[in-house]
Amino acid sequence: DIQMTQSPSSLSASVGDRVTITCRASQSISTYLNWYQQKPGKAPKLLIYAASNLQSGVPSRFSGSGSGTDFTLTISSLQPEDFATYYCQQSYSIPYTFGQGTKLEIK
Amino acid sequence: EVQLVESGGGLVQPGGSLRLSCAASGFTFSSYDMHWVRQATGKGLEWVSAIGIAGDTYYPGSVKGRFTISRDNAKNSLYLQMNSLRAEDTALYYCAKDSSGSYRGLFDYWGQGTLVTVSS
Repeated sequence: DIQMTQSPSSLSASVGDRVTITCRASQSISTYLNWYQQKPGKAPKLLIYAASNLQSGVPSRFSGSGSGTDFTLTISSLQPEDFATYYCQQSYSIPYTFGQGTKLEIK
Repeated sequence: EVQLVESGGGLVQPGGSLRLSCAASGFTFSSYDMHWVRQATGKGLEWVSAIGIAGDTYYPGSVKGRFTISRDNAKNSLYLQMNSLRAEDTALYYCAKDSSGSYRGLFDYWGQGTLVTVSS
């Protein structure tokens, strides 16, 4: 199975900050990497697919990059509604696996 | 509008069985792969099963041989039969639609989940 490791596990930031979350795969997954946002009590929401493609309706302050084993999710200017938990997920091979999550909190 | 509504969760004893359902609407159900993903309280996401449009099924090792995913395209419904349940299966179970096409394994729509609690 491919292991996905996110860092950091939690992060405190302020509105307007630029934030980067990292995801590392235990083997190369090309660009088969997706990012989800989850708010408390809600289902996950797809943000970015294939490493760098913004899902329809997602604000352009979100961006993704990377290939192979190392990936990043960047939020260019944090908004109050962005405080949530973020998960990466590989769709390179079954079993599909997620990172452990990064909780983004208000400083 | 895509809607996925799960049902069937509840309290079950260890070793027991439960069948989850997911009612889908707003898209051509028969044309998309579908998944179940679970989340224990306060924990991360775990992919549980997938079913293709041809009825092919896939599972991780943690549930293989105990869980069975199925679909009824006439009823636009997805199911998860869970047998030999264990305490570690306690979680909120989400139904998720696959984006399908050339890029599979991408969960583009999710239901709100149904809670399964395995306890004596």
